[in-house]
Amino acid sequence: GAVVSQHPSWVICKSGTSVKIECRSLDFQATTMFWYRQFPKQSLMLMATSNEGSKATYEQGVEKDKFLINHASLTLSTLTVTSAHPEDSSFYICSARDRTVYTGELFFGEGSRLTVL
Amino acid sequence: AQKVTQAQTEISVVEKEDVTLDCVYETRDTTYYLFWYKQPPSGELVFLIRRNSFDEQNEISGRYSWNFQKSTSSFNFTITASQVVDSAVYFCALSEAGTGRRALTFGSGTRLQVQP
Repeated sequence: GAVVSQHPSWVICKSGTSVKIECRSLDFQATTMFWYRQFPKQSLMLMATSNEGSKATYEQGVEKDKFLINHASLTLSTLTVTSAHPEDSSFYICSARDRTVYTGELFFGEGSRLTVL
Repeated sequence: AQKVTQAQTEISVVEKEDVTLDCVYETRDTTYYLFWYKQPPSGELVFLIRRNSFDEQNEISGRYSWNFQKSTSSFNFTITASQVVDSAVYFCALSEAGTGRRALTFGSGTRLQVQP
């Protein structure tokens, strides 16, 4: 089946630093990837839609200058949390849709747990 | 706008009991997909089922079964003879069909605890 790999699985950083999370589709091409954020005991909330070769589309309330998304190729999207603060501590999950499969299904990465001290 | 409601925040059962997790959805799309995912404590999402809006047949997979009723906009999930390993958070989700770029919309999740 389609595999999405996310790296790193967990990261601890100091307040004010930037953290980059990578999301790769390993065996398929994804023109669109999605980034979700999940706070403890809450649901997955869509942050942004990452479009290959163009700017990401952010959901209302998500700061695009703080959460930088780059989708440089059909298999890689990155999320950079700039000047991270403790309130950014969360579980970030990426997902991708296989461009050749029209079943609505998204394939999810394993998630990246960010802790900002 | 799409919306998924999982009214049960947390359910606790004893092993071998049957349990049903409710899911009600709202969408203006005429064609759409419904999903259930399991999220164990490790965090990764485990895909359980996808159902498209034209297929109202119920489905059974081992101890799992799903009841899709378009008339009530519900897509409920039943675990028969629950086991401790079933303990997890379960999410119901909705997506438009076709080639749309829309993401999945998730419900708030139901935390299932199966006691030995």
